[in-house]
Amino acid sequence: DVKVTQSSRYLVKRTGEKVFLECVQDMDHENMFWYRQDPGLGLRLIYFSYDVKMKEKGDIPEGYSVSREKKERFSLILESASTNQTSMYLCASLEGGTGELFFGEGSRLTVL
Amino acid sequence: QKEVEQDPGPLSVPEGAIVSLNCTYSNSAFQYFMWYRQYSRKGPELLMYTYSSGNKEDGRFTAQVDKSSKYISLFIRDSQPSDSATYLCAIRKRGNAGKSTFGDGTTLTVKP
Repeated sequence: DVKVTQSSRYLVKRTGEKVFLECVQDMDHENMFWYRQDPGLGLRLIYFSYDVKMKEKGDIPEGYSVSREKKERFSLILESASTNQTSMYLCASLEGGTGELFFGEGSRLTVL
Repeated sequence: QKEVEQDPGPLSVPEGAIVSLNCTYSNSAFQYFMWYRQYSRKGPELLMYTYSSGNKEDGRFTAQVDKSSKYISLFIRDSQPSDSATYLCAIRKRGNAGKSTFGDGTTLTVKP
């Protein structure tokens, strides 16, 4: 089974702190994604990566950056967390042959 | 205007009911249509995937696509309490690096 693992399920941070959310997939997928999920707004794409060290902005990249130093790992970075970044963050990787996205269980971030 | 609009819900039905979940999209460039199911405190998982107009069945689930009307539906027959979840429609363009656009989700509760 494909597994996408997000390192932290629940985090509480203070405004201005730097936050790292890590995601690891074990199926050698090339494409990985970070979404945030908010009530009434659905899933919105923050960034995605199609290869090591390659990244592209999604629909809402402001306030976020990403890092992909190894194929299996895709990290989301909040340089200076703000309260409006309180959300559920979902990492996904893409099975290229079928087009199926495999999601992690999510990281619920609260910024106080 | 959002690229995909999903009937908001929430939806509450008795066990055994037929459920209809619906989305509309605005751009005919979208070629791939998916339904994801998300249980509480979990990441979404793929339920149905289709790329052509018409119906696709998988057990109690039927995905329907009408490209001329830009309308997609998911039908659940003989609904069960275990079907209680949030259902997300997702659409994707051909060759778009796997980037999917999601509806906001419909939360379904099936009461025993």
